[in-house]
Amino acid sequence: AQSVTQLDSQVPVFEEAPVELRCNYSSSVSVYLFWYVQYPNQGLQLLLKYLSGSTLVKGINGFEAEFNKSQTSFHLRKPSVHISDTAEYFCAVSVLSNQAGTALIFGKGTTLSVSS
Amino acid sequence: NAGVTQTPKFQVLKTGQSMTLQCAQDMNHEYMSWYRQDPGMGLRLIHYSVGAGITDQGEVPNGYNVSRSTTEDFPLRLLSAAPSQTSVYFCATQGSPYEQYFGPGTRLTVT
Repeated sequence: AQSVTQLDSQVPVFEEAPVELRCNYSSSVSVYLFWYVQYPNQGLQLLLKYLSGSTLVKGINGFEAEFNKSQTSFHLRKPSVHISDTAEYFCAVSVLSNQAGTALIFGKGTTLSVSS
Repeated sequence: NAGVTQTPKFQVLKTGQSMTLQCAQDMNHEYMSWYRQDPGMGLRLIHYSVGAGITDQGEVPNGYNVSRSTTEDFPLRLLSAAPSQTSVYFCATQGSPYEQYFGPGTRLTVT
């Protein structure tokens, strides 16, 4: 069965510093990988996704992630964060169902706190 | 184009009561799903569906029922609410390729 592990539950950083949010997954088959962001009291918004092709994926708001198949990782990075990046970030992997298409399995989330 | 809508936004139930969380979408997506979000647990998949008449269980299906009679609607039923079902519930649809669109959520408290 697929699973997702986000290695840090909280990441505090100062504004304009770089940040990396780590995500590892386990799966016996090929997967699709996603990062979502959730701002306080809001729903989830897709940051970026890896389906195939280039292992470096660029998303919205200056975020990027690199798919590493040998290390089963999909870490999220941003070279310079802003206060407005403060949010919870979720890594997710797709799951194929024999019967009903695909679903997502989420990690437990990483809270990114950016301070000045 | 409203996307994914959920009603109600907030609900308080007593233990043992039943209710239905509504989810509707106007994007003509075949795939829909329900998640619950609890602090420190991320989002966990409850049930999902690829179209009318086809549903499947996710990670945490116990205590919840679903059915899918139309493409647009995918209601989630709690037959006998328990305090452990206190959570925020999100409905989502899946477009192409594999991008999921989430509703605004329903915050449920069971006392």
